[in-house]
Amino acid sequence: DVKVTQSSRYLVKRTGEKVFLECVQDMDHENMFWYRQDPGLGLRLIYFSYDVKMKEKGDIPEGYSVSREKKERFSLILESASTNQTSMYLCASSHRGMGQGTQYFGPGTRLLVL
Amino acid sequence: DQQVKQNSPSLSVQEGRISILNCDYTNSMFDYFLWYKKYPAEGPTFLISISSIKDKNEDGRFTVFLNKSAKHLSLHIVPSQPGDSAVYFCAASDYNNNDMRFGAGTRLTVKP
Repeated sequence: DVKVTQSSRYLVKRTGEKVFLECVQDMDHENMFWYRQDPGLGLRLIYFSYDVKMKEKGDIPEGYSVSREKKERFSLILESASTNQTSMYLCASSHRGMGQGTQYFGPGTRLLVL
Repeated sequence: DQQVKQNSPSLSVQEGRISILNCDYTNSMFDYFLWYKKYPAEGPTFLISISSIKDKNEDGRFTVFLNKSAKHLSLHIVPSQPGDSAVYFCAASDYNNNDMRFGAGTRLTVKP
């Protein structure tokens, strides 16, 4: 079974803090993704990575950065947290290649920025 | 610009009846479509998929229908069970790309 784990289930931070969210997958997937989920907006892609040290911006990259130093690990960084970044953050991974786009998700991190 | 749209934020059905969840997309380059199911406090889990070379894919109680000319897909659950109560997300991607776009989700409630 594919397993995607996220470092925290719940996180409370203050405005201006630097926040690190970590994601690890154990299925040797090439692709990894970070989404945020907000009511009425569904899942919106922040960043994705198709290989180590590679990254691509998604639909809403502003205020975020990512790091992928190892294949199994993909980190999301909030450089200076703001209240509008309060959200559920979901990490996912998938194989790269034709028709292999099924993504497997972690349990999510609910972040509250005060 | 939302490329995948689920226009019904919620749906309520009686146990044993059919649930039909709908999804529309705008990007004609999409040719791989998926449905995910999400319970509260959990990540979405893959439910069923369909590629554009098919118009129907069935897996037990779940069937996905694709109408490429209308850029529309639907998920049928028959018979619906209370355990099916969850948020269902429609997703679409280019077959090569793996860059997936999700709809806003439909909350399904199945009443006993």
